[in-house]
Amino acid sequence: AQTVTQSQPEMSVQEAETVTLSCTYDTSESDYYLFWYKQPPSRQMILVIRQEAYKQQNATENRFSVNFQKAAKSFSLKISDSQLGDAAMYFCAYSPNTGNQFYFGTGTSLTVIP
Amino acid sequence: DTAVSQTPKYLVTQMGNDKSIKCEQNLGHDTMYWYKQDSKKFLKIMFSYNNKELIINETVPNRFSPKSPDKAHLNLHINSLELGDSAVYFCASSQAQGGSPLHFGNGTRLTVT
Repeated sequence: AQTVTQSQPEMSVQEAETVTLSCTYDTSESDYYLFWYKQPPSRQMILVIRQEAYKQQNATENRFSVNFQKAAKSFSLKISDSQLGDAAMYFCAYSPNTGNQFYFGTGTSLTVIP
Repeated sequence: DTAVSQTPKYLVTQMGNDKSIKCEQNLGHDTMYWYKQDSKKFLKIMFSYNNKELIINETVPNRFSPKSPDKAHLNLHINSLELGDSAVYFCASSQAQGGSPLHFGNGTRLTVT
């Protein structure tokens, strides 16, 4: 069974600093996709970044980047130059290439300290 | 030009009532979903439809019934509401091919009193 684990229920970071959110997953598939979603207090679910498992290159979107370690089944999110607007719940998600299924982690609540 | 829209945004009702939440997407996606987010923020899949056909039906009480009149709409009807149904319900959509991300609606906060 596919599971997604976010071991950090809460994290905090000073404004302008860098923070890394952890995510591990369990799967027997070789072809799949990984996502990070952000949920600010407005409760909107916003796609932050997407990674294809067959690509070795780590995905990057402006200040957001991932460290994808396929062998270790690890998919961490790095936020550089943290801003107050980054404060939110962050969810890691896994989706196999076959079928429209998404498995979410339990989320990490990120606080940004001014 | 909202991509995935769901209504209402807030819903407060009493135990035992029946209520519906509507969802529409204008992205041309083939697959639509209903997720439940509880008070601990856990996201749990409830249902998934692909081109109006039910493809995922997780362990959800029979009081919950999804209806998809066409591939752009997926409504959720809840009978005999219970206190434990209080949560935020998200509608989402995606393309059918693997790797297509979920696009979420803004959620409906349901409060059962």
